[in-house]
Amino acid sequence: GAGVSQSPSNKVTEKGKDVELRCDPISGHTALYWYRQSLGQGLEFLIYFQGNSAPDKSGLPSDRFSAERTGGSVSTLTIQRTQQEDSAVYLCASSLGTVGISPLHFGNGTRLTVT
Amino acid sequence: DQQVKQNSPSLSVQEGRISILNCDYTNSMFDYFLWYKKYPAEGPTFLISISSIKDKNEDGRFTVFLNKSAKHLSLHIVPSQPGDSAVYFCAASDNNAGNMLTFGGGTRLMVKP
Repeated sequence: GAGVSQSPSNKVTEKGKDVELRCDPISGHTALYWYRQSLGQGLEFLIYFQGNSAPDKSGLPSDRFSAERTGGSVSTLTIQRTQQEDSAVYLCASSLGTVGISPLHFGNGTRLTVT
Repeated sequence: DQQVKQNSPSLSVQEGRISILNCDYTNSMFDYFLWYKKYPAEGPTFLISISSIKDKNEDGRFTVFLNKSAKHLSLHIVPSQPGDSAVYFCAASDNNAGNMLTFGGGTRLMVKP
């Protein structure tokens, strides 16, 4: 079946502009995650949605970052007033539930470049 | 504070030999560990996992070993193949403290023909 789909695959934006990144998780997956990978670094947790529960926003680096998940499916990550340090690959993942039961399935990411 | 560390940024191995990738963690509450493999321009893909109640899990050419007392795990690939060349990430979770994975910085494996 279809995997996790992310769009756009690449985004170049000017410093100070807002950007929206989209994630379509695997159908039926109740959990959705956003991570980012800066150049030469590991994956940094940003935010986690599980069903109708309040999201875990503990990884968001600043209040310029926000995310929504509408209808328990599609998610949008919004970065306001982008800065050069926001340049990274933003990865979305989904899973059936608890990490110990169902591993995360990642999309191919959105490469964001802030000039 | 990096809770999961992969101290070797890269590893080069000859085809047919064993590849050993290492990972150390500091949080004793981690109870589930996973390895992911990542090719360029693709998302990470799940490879193998192990629960903290076990010390070994094997799947074909891939074996993960867990040493809880040393807070260390390793991934063994044998025999290594050129197609195994990728970045390997170690990840851990504490299922009692949320449902997210903490990742290491990755190790780039190069398998030479």
